[in-house]
Amino acid sequence: AQKITQTQPGMFVQEKEAVTLDCTYDTSDPSYGLFWYKQPSSGEMIFLIYQGSYDQQNATEGRYSLNFQKARKSANLVISASQLGDSAMYFCAMREPRNSGNTPLVFGKGTRLSVIA
Amino acid sequence: AAGVIQSPRHLIKEKRETATLKCYPIPRHDTVYWYQQGPGQDPQFLISFYEKMQSDKGSIPDRFSAQQFSDYHSELNMSSLELGDSALYFCASSWGTGSYNEQFFGPGTRLTVL
Repeated sequence: AQKITQTQPGMFVQEKEAVTLDCTYDTSDPSYGLFWYKQPSSGEMIFLIYQGSYDQQNATEGRYSLNFQKARKSANLVISASQLGDSAMYFCAMREPRNSGNTPLVFGKGTRLSVIA
Repeated sequence: AAGVIQSPRHLIKEKRETATLKCYPIPRHDTVYWYQQGPGQDPQFLISFYEKMQSDKGSIPDRFSAQQFSDYHSELNMSSLELGDSALYFCASSWGTGSYNEQFFGPGTRLTVL
């Protein structure tokens, strides 16, 4: 079963507008971490924002905020005031403990965001 | 601040050849992860090391092996390369293995198998 689901393969947003990228996750472990990464066409994986399962407040990092709804198991990324440089692939990912005690990232399929001038 | 270093950045190999990818984690990070990202795909976890010991395996083919050395750098060895091995290979490091610890990614090695 897919652990991370991103239902939007592609999104368009007008420059300076806000956009929400959806992410739902599946886990039975009470302790987990949720991450968003940006991958521009150059290929590098850029960390954007993190939300821990026990965090009471929604995470924010500059123009990025995470709309964390634990009961719905969703962790949507909100980008405010979109810029042309925000055009990229965005991945939602989760870390949860495995039997080994290790916590590799499990990624969603990604959402390609295109910002239009 | 120092980041994760991967070398080489680009590698072209023929089918059935071998390849070695290197990863130098951020200083004092004790955990290294390897991921494979095929064209148009999401990254898939291959293998990880904690304190120089293999800690977990994901979807790593038997043709691949990896190790972490005493200086914490890691190498991914790939033998009998196939066309399907063409991908972007990321190394990531973190301090500790907990789910709250951010993984810092290297720039990746783009492997092309001809």
